[in-house]
Amino acid sequence: IQMTQSPSSVSASVGDRVTITCRASQGIGIWLAWYQQKPGKAPKLLIYSESSLQVGVPSRFSGSGSGTDFTLTISSLQPEDFATYFCQQAGSFPITFGQGTRLEIK
Amino acid sequence: EVQLWESGGGLVQPGGSLRLSCAASGFTFSSYAMGWVRQAPGKGLEWVSSITGGGGGTYYADSVKGRFTISRDNSKNTLYLQMNSLRAEDTAVYFCVTTGSENYFASWGQGTLVTVSS
Repeated sequence: IQMTQSPSSVSASVGDRVTITCRASQGIGIWLAWYQQKPGKAPKLLIYSESSLQVGVPSRFSGSGSGTDFTLTISSLQPEDFATYFCQQAGSFPITFGQGTRLEIK
Repeated sequence: EVQLWESGGGLVQPGGSLRLSCAASGFTFSSYAMGWVRQAPGKGLEWVSSITGGGGGTYYADSVKGRFTISRDNSKNTLYLQMNSLRAEDTAVYFCVTTGSENYFASWGQGTLVTVSS
């Protein structure tokens, strides 16, 4: 299953609302996760099963969608949110990731 | 607190072999599926392999099938990845991950760098 994220990169300011989209090449139900990765660090799980927030993740992060189209929304960007975000389908093997979306400071 | 510590990375020639290890602590290791995810320099994430808690089920990406073998020793709380017939395109940071029953990667190690080059 191929996962396609858009945009590949986005520039935004602190306080902005940002949306990142992930499209699966076939239906995956709700079996989608989102990860955040900062330079030189391991990725961090933010959201799983499309909209469930991982423990400790701020509530400004939210996920939605089902089937083939999914969205990660950050409601009010904070300085620590500037990073690269990846989606991942967990519906079937082989597990696949999107190519990533780089969120940069405007 | 879940802790995962990878080791075994390094420089290897094309066609060579390497075995990665991941020492786990802070959770009941045998109750969790585990896996490996890699990231080539400057690139995205690629799932490599997963193994069930008891070790009876293993899964591989097509890119490594037949060359890599995942295994675990639950008595030692350790995950392994045996990598044979290494290629330049296997160069990456390899992360050890915990995998829930739904194939999400909740915990990650710090990663170990594997470089395949002559």
